[in-house]
Amino acid sequence: QSVLTQPPSVSEAPRQRVTISCSGSSSNIGNNAVNWYQQLPGKAPKLLIYYDDLLPSGVSDRFSGSKSGTSASLAISGLQSEDEADYYCAAWDDSLNGYVFGTGTKVTVL
Amino acid sequence: EVQLVESGGGLVQPGGSLRLSCAASGFTFSSYWMSWVRQAPGKGLEWVANIKQDGSEKYYVDSVKGRFTISRDNAKNSLYLQMNSLRAEDTAVYYCARDLLGSSGCQDYWGQGTLVTVSS
Repeated sequence: QSVLTQPPSVSEAPRQRVTISCSGSSSNIGNNAVNWYQQLPGKAPKLLIYYDDLLPSGVSDRFSGSKSGTSASLAISGLQSEDEADYYCAAWDDSLNGYVFGTGTKVTVL
Repeated sequence: EVQLVESGGGLVQPGGSLRLSCAASGFTFSSYWMSWVRQAPGKGLEWVANIKQDGSEKYYVDSVKGRFTISRDNAKNSLYLQMNSLRAEDTAVYYCARDLLGSSGCQDYWGQGTLVTVSS
């Protein structure tokens, strides 16, 4: 049972914008960097956002991250069919002394 | 080009042992923390363990403490996960990953994964 909670699924039409929430606590999101991963079907995860809102080289700027208190969000603008994937937030947890992933959100492009 | 290639997965009986390996190339292996992350069939991601550059610090998820041991050989650019007392709930694809942000995780490169199945 993850300590980071995400909605199981979100869906939106192409070219629209979706937001995925990630709720945690003071021991993880509230005190550490939040990272986001994209996992396409049958593939290994890919780092999408790190340090709350930074994009790794090569990641589209349609993806953006934000954090406020003990919650974080991933936004995908200009939604495309290739964005259909599972998305996970993650952060170090000081109480557990370990890295925790969110429950995951499946994005569907209608 | 950064490459991480896992090996060593397979079918093992409950209570058995398995050693996973990860061969790294394309970067200075000895300069990075490294992690193992797993994903049970149809489930989400679960971080398993990570290890400091020189092997002097290691962290584990509670569910594997005392059963799994992470290690590395910088001379061979290799990461390992020794898994003992395996349980059915350890069945998963195990990924080797490079930690971008040191001890606090954030895996920027991942291998393709190796499947471990624990079943009688």
